[in-house]
Amino acid sequence: EVQLVESGGGSVQPGRSLRLSCITSGFTFGDYTMSWVRQAPGKGLEWVGLIRGKTYGETIEYAASVKDRFSISRDDSKNIAYLQMNSLKTEDTAVYYCTRDPSRSSPHFDYWGQGTLVTVSS
Amino acid sequence: SYVLTQPPSVSLAPGETAKITCGGDNIGGYTVHWYQQKPGQAPVLVMYFDSDRPSGIPERFSGSNSGNTATLTISRVEAVDEADYYCQVWDSGSDHAGVFGGGTKLTVL
Repeated sequence: EVQLVESGGGSVQPGRSLRLSCITSGFTFGDYTMSWVRQAPGKGLEWVGLIRGKTYGETIEYAASVKDRFSISRDDSKNIAYLQMNSLKTEDTAVYYCTRDPSRSSPHFDYWGQGTLVTVSS
Repeated sequence: SYVLTQPPSVSLAPGETAKITCGGDNIGGYTVHWYQQKPGQAPVLVMYFDSDRPSGIPERFSGSNSGNTATLTISRVEAVDEADYYCQVWDSGSDHAGVFGGGTKLTVL
């Protein structure tokens, strides 16, 4: 059974940093692209970024809204994906979902974690 | 950046057919994916590559994509289908980014 479990969320002041982890099981982690998607309270879904597997050079893409502040990484030996969030802003407040992406040609998200809430507030 | 437009809400009675649209400039040239999200839950993929259903998704769900509109069709709507629905594409142009529509709230009266 495929499982994605996020952790690391919490309350943080603007300008501070937070690192989210996504612990996975039930599939060959290294074969998949992993994406992060967020959802602000009462709002829609927003793609944050992705990291491809070794086969595709572990290349990374970011949404314009987080580029230069967020970074995504992965540890294939531990089956974990990470989202490092720096210089956090109040508008980064959201539930952050870790997702599995099965497609190289048209990224989409076939499995989702339960999400972890990040609140940025002074 | 690429923009996807969805109607904010769709309401219909049980047994009717729901057509949830997703508009975008030449969206027919993209592959569209659809997600269902119920309150307090993570989204679930209900359609991928325009018209492929993941295992476990009822045959009542179907998808199409042509021109400037992609459509998720739910036949014989049931109360359990009440949820928010989001379309999504991958913009492989200059942005290289995932793009979601704003979401459509499906209400089963």
